[in-house]
Amino acid sequence: EDQVTQSPEALRLQEGESSSLNCSYTVSGLRGLFWYRQDPGKGPEFLFTLYSAGEEKEKERLKATLTKKESFLHITAPKPEDSATYLCAADGGGSYSGGGADGLTFGKGTHLIIQP
Amino acid sequence: KAGVTQTPRYLIKTRGQQVTLSCSPISGHRSVSWYQQTPGQGLQFLFEYFSETQRNKGNFPGRFSGRQFSNSRSEMNVSTLELGDSALYLCASSFSPSGSGETQYFGPGTRLLVL
Repeated sequence: EDQVTQSPEALRLQEGESSSLNCSYTVSGLRGLFWYRQDPGKGPEFLFTLYSAGEEKEKERLKATLTKKESFLHITAPKPEDSATYLCAADGGGSYSGGGADGLTFGKGTHLIIQP
Repeated sequence: KAGVTQTPRYLIKTRGQQVTLSCSPISGHRSVSWYQQTPGQGLQFLFEYFSETQRNKGNFPGRFSGRQFSNSRSEMNVSTLELGDSALYLCASSFSPSGSGETQYFGPGTRLLVL
């Protein structure tokens, strides 16, 4: 069974204090690892897709990296507007690979608060 | 390019009633997936439709059903509502089905409250 675990569950940082969010995954054939940002009462907003170990992607203060078992979302010098829940999801291949779950398997998310 | 739209945005129903939610995908996208989000369980996969065919279904009872039309718009239906069905229902669209590594883009969700 595909599993995605995110840590920590919640994180409170001061503005400008850099940190990393962790996403550990166990899937039967990773086709893609996704990061989303979700604000209260809204749908998840796409941030990054990673496909293979060693891959990195950056967008403003965010950088996502991928290993064979984990992905990290690094936040550099965060601002209060970066406060949100960050979700990690894995596409395990499903019908394409002959095994694993169809649909994305999500972690429970990391609730990030950036204090001014 | 318009994003994924969902209607209605909010719904209040009573136990035993049924409800239909609608999702219009991004233009050109043929895959639509539905997810249920609750504080305790997070986001859970309900089902996925591609070219009007249901590809797979998550671990939900048969009260949850859906369909997709030729224009890729999708509806999901929940019959005999229970209190535990209160949740944010999210629709996501992509050009190719899940399993291909294609990015799914989410709509704003429909907030369902069952009383």
